[in-house]
Amino acid sequence: GNSVTQMEGPVTLSEEAFLTINCTYTATGYPSLFWYVQYPGEGLQLLLKATKADDKGSNKGFEATYRKETTSFHLEKGSVQVSDSAVYFCALRGQGGSYIPTFGRGTSLIVHP
Amino acid sequence: GAVVSQHPSWVICKSGTSVKIECRSLDFQATTMFWYRQFPKQSLMLMATSNEGSKATYEQGVEKDKFLINHASLTLSTLTVTSAHPEDSSFYICSARQGEIYEQYFGPGTRLTVT
Repeated sequence: GNSVTQMEGPVTLSEEAFLTINCTYTATGYPSLFWYVQYPGEGLQLLLKATKADDKGSNKGFEATYRKETTSFHLEKGSVQVSDSAVYFCALRGQGGSYIPTFGRGTSLIVHP
Repeated sequence: GAVVSQHPSWVICKSGTSVKIECRSLDFQATTMFWYRQFPKQSLMLMATSNEGSKATYEQGVEKDKFLINHASLTLSTLTVTSAHPEDSSFYICSARQGEIYEQYFGPGTRLTVT
């Protein structure tokens, strides 16, 4: 079945540091890939997505590239801010079946001033 | 973008009582709504999927008699936690989508505390 593996957190960075959160997946066919962000006490918000190999999703300075050869969708940001502190979830949605996303466990990001 | 609301945002109830949580799609018709449960510092656990006008499909291990889901219209689904116990305390998140190939949009979540 489908699965998503994320690096364990928390990831602790200083403001303006470079961020990478690793995400790899297992799926058949060509799934769509997503990153969601959850701020404290809130629901999930879609951060970015990519629907086919080599696509790059980007939003708010974050980006991730769909790498089919390595089955990865790592999230990156060149310069993090304190306001980026949140939990980030990688997810995939398969091509068939009920199209219900499979989520990773989430990675907590803490950015210090 | 599409907006999904939940009400209430937090609720405290006594053990043995029932609590209803509403999920609404504000600017689109949601043929399918989902209910998730999230424990502290953990991922989302899908509880059930509901299609408008039909019975919900529950994930393995989720008690359908305890977590009653109703999807009476294309913009409203409700989750009722019956005879709540402290172990039911959790963060409940709903999401909705317009159709199978469409994205899911998530509500802001409801914090339930059972005392």
